[in-house]
Amino acid sequence: NAGVTQTPKFQVLKTGQSMTLQCAQDMNHEYMSWYRQDPGMGLRLIHYSVGAGITDQGEVPNGYNVSRSTTEDFPLRLLSAAPSQTSVYFCASSPGQWGNYGYTFGSGTRLTVV
Amino acid sequence: AQSVSQHNHHVILSEAASLELGCNYSYGGTVNLFWYVQYPGQHLQLLLKYFSGDPLVKGIKGFEAEFIKSKFSFNLRKPSVQWSDTAEYFCAAAGTGYSSASKIIFGSGTRLSIRP
Repeated sequence: NAGVTQTPKFQVLKTGQSMTLQCAQDMNHEYMSWYRQDPGMGLRLIHYSVGAGITDQGEVPNGYNVSRSTTEDFPLRLLSAAPSQTSVYFCASSPGQWGNYGYTFGSGTRLTVV
Repeated sequence: AQSVSQHNHHVILSEAASLELGCNYSYGGTVNLFWYVQYPGQHLQLLLKYFSGDPLVKGIKGFEAEFIKSKFSFNLRKPSVQWSDTAEYFCAAAGTGYSSASKIIFGSGTRLSIRP
């Protein structure tokens, strides 16, 4: 099925551990983004990419890295997990400039850092 | 600064009641507006969007929204809600320019609970 696929769906990490959240889309979308969703705070942009090889920081980038080596994949790396990174993470993609198309969202990764 | 405000954090209604969720935005330049819905345990899905033209926009599942430029508002409405409308609703705004800075800004969300 066409869409945005995120893995894993659930993850528990210990403080200080690192991991990568995977995101892949098969719609040939140029624009991809990572958001975190926290209660009462809506969605906050972590990092985004406007094409392969191009990434930039969003609103809350600290503690996260991204890369975009292909159009399809946009992994999010947690370098040294902290309890403040407990959240639900959503990957989203768009065919072009976000304002003109809106997003297609993945199903999310629920991350708990203990 | 760019922002989207949703002042109703939690709305509780009975089935068949009418719904209006408020959304105000602050965004320099021309803006496109969106409403997304997140059903329990699911990802966000697009309900409707406004780009230009008729300020009254109709979306899926009987929802509609009205863009009032003078009030910087984009309120979501539904004449008669159903229990299945229980979800969280997010208003969002994005610039129309071809700039990576024109990112989608989301409001904090409104949780809608429908009593059977």
